[in-house]
Amino acid sequence: SQQGEEDPQALSIQEGENATMNCSYKTSINNLQWYRQNSGRGLVHLILIRSNEREKHSGRLRVTLDTSKKSSSLLITASRAADTASYFCATASSGTYKYIFGTGTRLKVLA
Amino acid sequence: NAGVTQTPKFQVLKTGQSMTLQCAQDMNHNSMYWYRQDPGMGLRLIYYSASEGTTDKGEVPNGYNVSRLNKREFSLRLESAAPSQTSVYFCASSVDRVDEKLFFGSGTQLSVL
Repeated sequence: SQQGEEDPQALSIQEGENATMNCSYKTSINNLQWYRQNSGRGLVHLILIRSNEREKHSGRLRVTLDTSKKSSSLLITASRAADTASYFCATASSGTYKYIFGTGTRLKVLA
Repeated sequence: NAGVTQTPKFQVLKTGQSMTLQCAQDMNHNSMYWYRQDPGMGLRLIYYSASEGTTDKGEVPNGYNVSRLNKREFSLRLESAAPSQTSVYFCASSVDRVDEKLFFGSGTQLSVL
């Protein structure tokens, strides 16, 4: 079974709005990562947050991590049409390198 | 820098045929991974290699074998392809335990008829 589960499965917003997607996972982790995948392409790393961090920023991205709830959220502010993609979270159980991905959130940003 | 290179990009097989998917990285990374992506299923880990000379099973290893030929190369072999193995296959690599972000190849689209 998948380690991470994202929700919503799909999200459609207007350009300029903020997009929030969530990830839940099952085991203790060392870190949680978010990736973007444009249609038909490989995944691209966006941001990594370690288990001892609660929030991290990178440009228009803000990631939070709540290890007590085993959940994370990715916020994309002031979205652009170019942000249209699928977004995945990935985690590895503590002590392993087995990075398991969730099923993803498909984001569509309308111009 | 080429990054992670996968070959071939597309392949069509008949049921029962065998083939090897090749993956090479030029970033001197220690860890390498094979994933498959099916519609609506996200990515599922097939096998991974934490370092040269080691391999370990992921979520869906049945029907596959891997070889970590050297630090650069990590191949995935289908001994007897089945229609259920129709998928897009991605290879990825990461530096080490300190910097664990994954770098992905562009994928191999495999159809088994």
